[in-house]
Formats: sequence, C-alpha cells, structure tokens
Amino acid sequence: AQSVAQPEDQVNVAEGNPLTVKCTYSVSGNPYLFWYVQYPNRGLQFLLKYITGDNLVKGSYGFEAEFNKSQTSFHLKKPSALVSDSALYFCAVSQGGKLIFGQGTELSVKP
Amino acid sequence: GAGVSQSPSNKVTEKGKDVELRCDPISGHTALYWYRQSLGQGLEFLIYFQGNSAPDKSGLPSDRFSAERTGGSVSTLTIQRTQQEDSAVYLCASSLGAGAKDTQYFGPGTRLTVL
Repeated sequence: AQSVAQPEDQVNVAEGNPLTVKCTYSVSGNPYLFWYVQYPNRGLQFLLKYITGDNLVKGSYGFEAEFNKSQTSFHLKKPSALVSDSALYFCAVSQGGKLIFGQGTELSVKP
Repeated sequence: GAGVSQSPSNKVTEKGKDVELRCDPISGHTALYWYRQSLGQGLEFLIYFQGNSAPDKSGLPSDRFSAERTGGSVSTLTIQRTQQEDSAVYLCASSLGAGAKDTQYFGPGTRLTVL
C-alpha cells in the first residue's frame, strides 16, 4: 500500500527566511505526489504536484518541491516565508485516483 | 469559474439521527470524491465516483454511510443513525478525470457535530 509521512507536526520559521516542510513516501511503481495547504476553517487548496520529468516542481504562491527518488522524499520549499504562509500543509500520494494523505504539518511564520 | 461547493457548511445533529451532506462539483469534472477529516484519523478517503462506473466504496467506515451521485453531477453523502465518532469535517473534491495524475479540487467542507 502507498503511504506518505510528514515527520514534523510543526515547523516554525521567521518571516523572510527559507522554509522547508518535509514529506517522505512509500509507493510501488511511479509515485504521483501532491502538496495541499489548508487555512483555518477552509478546504484544501492545491499547491503543486509531481508526475514525471523535472525533479523540481514549481507551484502556487512561490512554493516549490523537490522530488528525490533515492531518498523517497518530496519536500516543500519556499525561498522567503511570509506570515500569510502560516497554515496546515498536507503531502499526498495518489493511489488509483484516491489521495492518501500524510498527517499534516502546521507551519507558523512569525514576523 | 465556480469551485466545488458544499452544503450545509455546518451541521449539528443528535446521536441516532440521519444526515445528508451535499456536494456540487466543478462543472465538467467527471470524478467526485468524499473525504473525512477528523482529529484522531487525519484525512481519510471515503468514496469516489467516476462517470457511469460503479463507485469505489472501499473507504466507507460502516454500512451506515452511503453516497450517490445523480446525473453525473451533484452528490449526496448520507450517514444513518449518526454516532459521536462521526463528528468530523466532510470534504468533497472533484477532478477532470479519475486518473492518478489528475488534480483534485476541494470544497470548503461540512463540519458535522453529533451530540
């Protein structure tokens, strides 16, 4: 069975600093990986996905993610964090069309 | 364009009552999904519909849960004889196709509280 893990429940960064939210995966075959963000009392918003090709994927709001096959990771990154980036972030892998989510990482960006 | 919409946004019910949750997918999207988000279980898949194919019900936690999709568009998730452990946020999503590569777009969710 496919699975993803987000090893950090919470990540704290200062505004303007780079941020990384970690995700590792376990899949058989080619992984299709996604990142979503959830703001308080809102649904999930799609950020980016990796299907194939370039290992560096660029997405919405200045976020990017690096697919690393040897380390089975798909970490989310942003060069300069904003206070408005504070939210809950989910990594997911697609299994036959169904999304299998990690447990989520709470990102807190302080001024 | 319009995104996925869900109604009601909040639902409070008494244990043992039945509830119906509604989802309107993005126009033209052939696949529709239901997920549940709870503190204890995180985000978990419930059921999905693709076109006229039989739905994948593999995530439904019990036979008290059912869903239908009428006319290939609107979907209703029904929970019979609600229990306190059914309290959660129920999220609906839709995608253009149902392949593993397709992006799912989520609605705002329905927060269900069972007293």
